Amino acid sequence: EPEVTQTPSHQVTQMGQEVILRCVPISNHLYFYWYRQILGQKVEFLVSFYNNEISEKSEIFDDQFSVERPDGSNFTLKIRSTKLEDSAMYFCASSVYRGLNTEAFFGQGTRLTVV
Amino acid sequence: SQQGEEDPQALSIQEGENATMNCSYKTSINNLQWYRQNSGRGLVHLILIRSNEREKHSGRLRVTLDTSKKSSSLLITASRAADTASYFCATDAGIGSGNTGKLIFGQGTTLQVKP
Repeated sequence: EPEVTQTPSHQVTQMGQEVILRCVPISNHLYFYWYRQILGQKVEFLVSFYNNEISEKSEIFDDQFSVERPDGSNFTLKIRSTKLEDSAMYFCASSVYRGLNTEAFFGQGTRLTVV
Repeated sequence: SQQGEEDPQALSIQEGENATMNCSYKTSINNLQWYRQNSGRGLVHLILIRSNEREKHSGRLRVTLDTSKKSSSLLITASRAADTASYFCATDAGIGSGNTGKLIFGQGTTLQVKP
């Protein structure tokens, strides 16, 4: 069964460093998303991406964040200068949305720890 | 309160019992989805119920949706120890009219099933 894959599963970085989180969405999906979950809290929307551009972003997704689909398969989230409060689990998701009601499939997540 | 509030926050039952989790939301939706998350792991899609549906079944799962009350419930029948996880509802306003298919998650219900 097709699945969304994320790498790495766990990343430790020093405050101020840049990190890139990688995702391979399901191949025929058209809509891509990043979410994050701070430990013990709920899953929060960061950004949605369609047709090679950001279609919506939350207030969390400030200038330190960027997304890219560098080729036909990868979807990346970059944090330019990490802060301690960026420590969280980051989830990539994708959906096909050919109809009005389509499930979003999530990857296993990347646990980012900023020290 | 925010979109997608679940109750109870925590539920502990014996194996074989039924578990019921509730979710309330505030704005109009296209569909409502339930996800499961094992501790520290990814989000697994369980079931999607469309706004024009009232009830849906999948194996031991039964989901109801009451759009007049803006609420949904997830029932897990004959629970097993392996059902121990956190369960989240997520609402989707759909694509179009400025909506991008983003999901708004609730705080989740932590279910413990004792063997």
